[in-house]
Amino acid sequence: NAGVMQNPRHLVRRRGQEARLRCSPMKGHSHVYWYRQLPEEGLKFMVYLQKENIIDESGMPKERFSAEFPKEGPSILRIQQVVRGDSAAYFCASSRDSRGEGQLGQYFGPGTRLTVT
Amino acid sequence: SQKIEQNSEALNIQEGKTATLTCNYTNYSPAYLQWYRQDPGRGPVFLLLIRENEKEKRKERLKVTFDTTLKQSLFHITASQPADSATYLCALGTSGTYKYIFGTGTRLKVLA
Repeated sequence: NAGVMQNPRHLVRRRGQEARLRCSPMKGHSHVYWYRQLPEEGLKFMVYLQKENIIDESGMPKERFSAEFPKEGPSILRIQQVVRGDSAAYFCASSRDSRGEGQLGQYFGPGTRLTVT
Repeated sequence: SQKIEQNSEALNIQEGKTATLTCNYTNYSPAYLQWYRQDPGRGPVFLLLIRENEKEKRKERLKVTFDTTLKQSLFHITASQPADSATYLCALGTSGTYKYIFGTGTRLKVLA
């Protein structure tokens, strides 16, 4: 049973380009969360999605960032016109129950490390 | 403002000893608290969850306590091994939100 998959693992973009990060949740999981992690900082919640719905995007910047979780296919986190400050590790997590508060918590992917040059 | 504090300095202990990590929080009333392990270059791995009405939870060599009066959780690893070396994160959640608030983590190094 494959875990949460994220790709690419490493992504280099020049300022002004678009970054597209993909996340395939664990089989049977319909709840997806995106987090951002900067060096020496904790994971910061960005957005919570269920299939075809954004439930909570309060942690995501209003401009340039968007997320989706279509009926078919992976969840996508899109960053338009990237700036150097967007350089970070972006983690996706999935859970079976609505908040991952069950005994199994959230399952995290390996992350995508975005570098903006 | 809400704040979660974990020891920012690395914790070094000898193999076989008990490691104790601390998670303190302020201006927050979590309904539950989770502990995760994160290795370099990898995503966090869930270890344990404890609810506000639970004082203690155990899993193999791991033990977590939750004191809502002190606003603190302690995470213990007994009979520590070099393989336990990693960064340990605490995460708090409330019953009215889907968001987890993560601490910055404490790096543990178990010396052989």
